[in-house]
Amino acid sequence: KNQVEQSPQSLIILEGKNCTLQCNYTVSPFSNLRWYKQDTGRGPVSLTIMTFSENTKSNGRYTATLDADTKQSSLHITASQLSDSASYICVVSHLSSGGSYIPTFGRGTSLIVHP
Amino acid sequence: NAGVTQTPKFQVLKTGQSMTLQCAQDMNHEYMSWYRQDPGMGLRLIHYSVGAGITDQGEVPNGYNVSRSTTEDFPLRLLSAAPSQTSVYFCASSYRGQINSPLHFGNGTRLTVT
Repeated sequence: KNQVEQSPQSLIILEGKNCTLQCNYTVSPFSNLRWYKQDTGRGPVSLTIMTFSENTKSNGRYTATLDADTKQSSLHITASQLSDSASYICVVSHLSSGGSYIPTFGRGTSLIVHP
Repeated sequence: NAGVTQTPKFQVLKTGQSMTLQCAQDMNHEYMSWYRQDPGMGLRLIHYSVGAGITDQGEVPNGYNVSRSTTEDFPLRLLSAAPSQTSVYFCASSYRGQINSPLHFGNGTRLTVT
């Protein structure tokens, strides 16, 4: 069964500090890995997308890495801000026989940034 | 562009009632999908569609029906609501077949079945 595991489940940091979130997956065959940010009461918003051949992707203060051999990804947040408080979701997709990318979602890491 | 619009935002149903959750997108995306999000669990795929007239089941399709008569709309129907269907429902869309196309999500419908 395809699975995506995220750690830690929750994290509290001080404003201005860096943090790293982890994602391990057993999705096969692998197509792409995405990180989403979900604010409370809102839908998830895409941060980064990486395919098999990419091992790093940045979006402002967010940097995602991918190790396809060990099936691990990380999301590094630099110089955290209060607005970074949210749930961060790792999503790994496989290509279905019909040509659609079917996602498997992790449970998310809840990040709280304190002033 | 409005993106993905879901209505209603909140709904309370009694067991056995039926209702339709609406989802519309204005980005001309071929792929549309429905998910449910429950506490402590990742989003789970209910149904998806790769174009008008084409739908398929996801991971948790039981108790839900969908249809896709236009590119823009993808409604989700609960024929006989059950308390186990209490959840937050998200609709999402993307370009089909493009490996780097992100999912665009609506802001969800919070459904309570009593």
